[in-house]
Amino acid sequence: DAKTTQPPSMDCAEGRAANLPCNHSTISGNEYVYWYRQIHSQGPQYIIHGLKNNETNEMASLIITEDRKSSTLILPHATLRDTAVYYCIAIVNNQGGKLIFGQGTELSVKP
Amino acid sequence: EPEVTQTPSHQVTQMGQEVILRCVPISNHLYFYWYRQILGQKVEFLVSFYNNEISEKSEIFDDQFSVERPDGSNFTLKIRSTKLEDSAMYFCASSEGTGREAFFGQGTRLTVV
Repeated sequence: DAKTTQPPSMDCAEGRAANLPCNHSTISGNEYVYWYRQIHSQGPQYIIHGLKNNETNEMASLIITEDRKSSTLILPHATLRDTAVYYCIAIVNNQGGKLIFGQGTELSVKP
Repeated sequence: EPEVTQTPSHQVTQMGQEVILRCVPISNHLYFYWYRQILGQKVEFLVSFYNNEISEKSEIFDDQFSVERPDGSNFTLKIRSTKLEDSAMYFCASSEGTGREAFFGQGTRLTVV
């Protein structure tokens, strides 16, 4: 599985968009980019995933660069409850579903 | 909304004792997982389970650990002889398939004294 690199921490003002970057320059053609978050030692929560097209759901948007070497998770209107550690994970979809978590980005949403 | 449930939420045990952590995955899911998170560290994969057998396990999942799906609803993790370093949050997860997102339980905090 490709290694991903994320900044260790970011701040965001409440109500503003939070843009969380992830670098995955060694990603292979069959690896998907998944985003999960963990709020204060609760179980990780799935957010969104994609292969090469941009994706949007009720929680967030995922923008993947054309060369697929990086991606950005966008929380369009961050709230205090979005304060969490966000994990970007690259995995091959048909290989058992094991998730390898890195250190993630600790997002602090401030009033 | 369906969810993965874990019991107990917190368990304290003496070193050397056996513990069983219990999970009820989402009912139509086919893949089951255990992860652990030592305080202040990353979430670590332990084991995946499909079709009533282990499909993959990590180096952490040694002979002290075992998993079982004793009936159609429960999925358990047993630690035979607990060590102090087994103290951690243990998360159960399930998914419909390998190409689908995993849903995690709220975890069991295991404290070995």
